[in-house]
Amino acid sequence: GQQLNQSPQSMFIQEGEDVSMNCTSSSIFNTWLWYKQDPGEGPVLLIALYKAGELTSNGRLTAQFGITRKDSFLNISASIPSDVGIYFCAGRGSGGYNKLIFGAGTRLAVHP
Amino acid sequence: DSGVTQTPKHLITATGQRVTLRCSPRSGDLSVYWYQQSLDQGLQFLIQYYNGEERAKGNILERFSAQQFPDLHSELNLSSLELGDSALYFCASSERQGDEQFFGPGTRLTVL
Repeated sequence: GQQLNQSPQSMFIQEGEDVSMNCTSSSIFNTWLWYKQDPGEGPVLLIALYKAGELTSNGRLTAQFGITRKDSFLNISASIPSDVGIYFCAGRGSGGYNKLIFGAGTRLAVHP
Repeated sequence: DSGVTQTPKHLITATGQRVTLRCSPRSGDLSVYWYQQSLDQGLQFLIQYYNGEERAKGNILERFSAQQFPDLHSELNLSSLELGDSALYFCASSERQGDEQFFGPGTRLTVL
C-alpha cells in the first residue's frame, strides 16, 4: 500500500533557528497536508496543498507540494519554544480517495 | 478548538471488556473518520463514514466496529479488548469526502 517516509524523526534546535522537514512517497499524491500535534492533544491542521509546485505560507511556516507529486516539505523560520511538538505530513493519493496516509512524524524540541 | 468533540477523554478498562467511544463532528461536516495512535506512533486510519454510510476502511480489526447516526455523531465500539488496544483514538471530520480533516482531542484508552 501507499506509505510516506517522513524525516527527520526528531530535531533538537536552538530558539531562533530555522527548521526543515520533509515527506516522500513512492507513489503520487493529490493532496499534501501538514499537521502539528501537542502532547495529549489532537493534530491541528497547519497547511494544505492541492497542486504540484504549490508553495503556501502560514505565518512562519512554509510548505511546498513537490513537482513530482511524490514529496512535500515544511519549513519553520525563526523557531520559538511553542513550536515544540510532533509534526505530521499526510497525503491523499488517487487510489484511496478518502483515506489520508500519515507519516510517522517529526518530533521537534526547541531550546530557549 | 477544532469544533470536533470526543468523549470520554480517558477510559481505563480491563482485558476482555467492551467500550464505546463517541464523536461529534464540526457543525455542518458530513464525514467522520476514526484513527488509532499507539505510543510514539503515527496515526493509523481505521474507518470513515459519510452521511451515515461507511465509505472507507483501513486496518480496522474485526473486534472493532463503528457507526454514524442520523444526527451525524459517530461511535467506535471496541470489544474483547486486549492490552495492545491501549492507544489514543482520534475522530476527525470534514465537510465532504476528500476535504481537509479536523481532529478532535482524542480518547486515551488504557487496557489493564
